[in-house]
Formats: sequence, C-alpha cells, structure tokens
Amino acid sequence: EAAVTQSPRSKVAVTGGKVTLSCHQTNNHDYMYWYRQDTGHGLRLIHYSYVADSTEKGDIPDGYKASRPSQENFSLILELASLSQTAVYFCASKNWSSQNTLYFGAGTRLSVL
Amino acid sequence: GDSVTQTEGQVALSEEDFLTIHCNYSASGYPALFWYVQYPGEGPQFLFRASRDKEKGSSRGFEATYDKGTTSFHLRKASVQESDSAVYYCALGDRYNQGKLIFGQGTKLSIKP
Repeated sequence: EAAVTQSPRSKVAVTGGKVTLSCHQTNNHDYMYWYRQDTGHGLRLIHYSYVADSTEKGDIPDGYKASRPSQENFSLILELASLSQTAVYFCASKNWSSQNTLYFGAGTRLSVL
Repeated sequence: GDSVTQTEGQVALSEEDFLTIHCNYSASGYPALFWYVQYPGEGPQFLFRASRDKEKGSSRGFEATYDKGTTSFHLRKASVQESDSAVYYCALGDRYNQGKLIFGQGTKLSIKP
C-alpha cells in the first residue's frame, strides 16, 4: 500500500541544536511537502519540492531548510532549533496531475526545550 | 493574501445530530476548495473538493457546496456518528494545483454516543 512514512515520530531537541526530520514516500509521487501544525493556525506550508534535487520555499520558510535527494525522500532541517519551532510537522506527497489531493504522513511531534 | 476562516474551534454533538461547520474564504478568482479530516494520531486525509461555483462535493455522508457569492464552503452532515469525531480542516487550493494549500484553523468535532 502506498504510504508516506515520517521519522522520528517524536523528538525532543535542545535550543540551538540541529534537527533533521525525514520523510519517505512509496506513492511514486512527484511533489512532496512539509507542513507545520500549530493549535489555532491549522497547517502552514514550510517547503515543497516537485522534483529531486530541487526545493521551493513555502509560506513560512524562515529557520528551515529542505533537501530532496531522491523522488522518494524529503528532509526538513532545522540548523538552529528554537522554542518557537515546537510543533507537529507533517510530510505529504501529491501526483503532478492531482488537483491538490495530498497524502499525508502521520506527523512528527517536535519539542524544543 | 488568500485566507480561510473556520468559525468554530470546537463542536460537540450527540449521535444522529445534524452537523454544520462553517468555512469562509478570501481569494481572487476561482480557487478550488477542500475539506480534509484528521483522526487522532494520524495525518489529515482528503475528504472531498469542489472547483467551481455551485458545485457540491461529498464523501462519507458529508457534503459542502461552493458558494462564490457568500465565499463559503460549509461542511454538513445529516446524522453524525461517534466515528466522525475528528478535526476537520477547510482548505483553499492554489490555482496551479501545486499542492500549496491554505488551511483554516481546524474544527474539533466531538460526538457523544
């Protein structure tokens, strides 16, 4: 069954440390996304990619980097984690021809202390 | 910029009650509108979409009608079940179908048996 798998499922990080969140999809989809979920804000787009080795900025990219080394894998990198980055992060994928029907992973709960 | 507003942060109902979750949007042109549902411990799942004025989307007994005049896409269900308990997100799609969704704040639906 096609799926989007995120790792780790939860993480505790220290302020100023480096955090890498990973995402792997078996949907054979072209597009991949990182969204952030905060109470009261819904989900907001951080970065996305429509092809391997290329990433694009979303609506809230500051403080985040992304990497798409292959079609299946998409990482979100926090070089200097901050308290304000405590949130749940969702990875998603989409077929290029799909009308914005995204397939989400189960999420990574990140706590920055 | 474009935005989506969900009026209710939480809704509590009993089984077989009628459900309405309000969604209003602000955008230029004719954006596609979506409803996603998120069950506890999972990522959001696509429920249905509508792409033009007066179009009705529906799935699993839920429905919503795209109304450009009132800029609304309210979610309705005639008779809710306990299994409908979840968080519901209204979302607005980008005109190029790149998956760059703008989500509302979400509405947590709780159904008492």
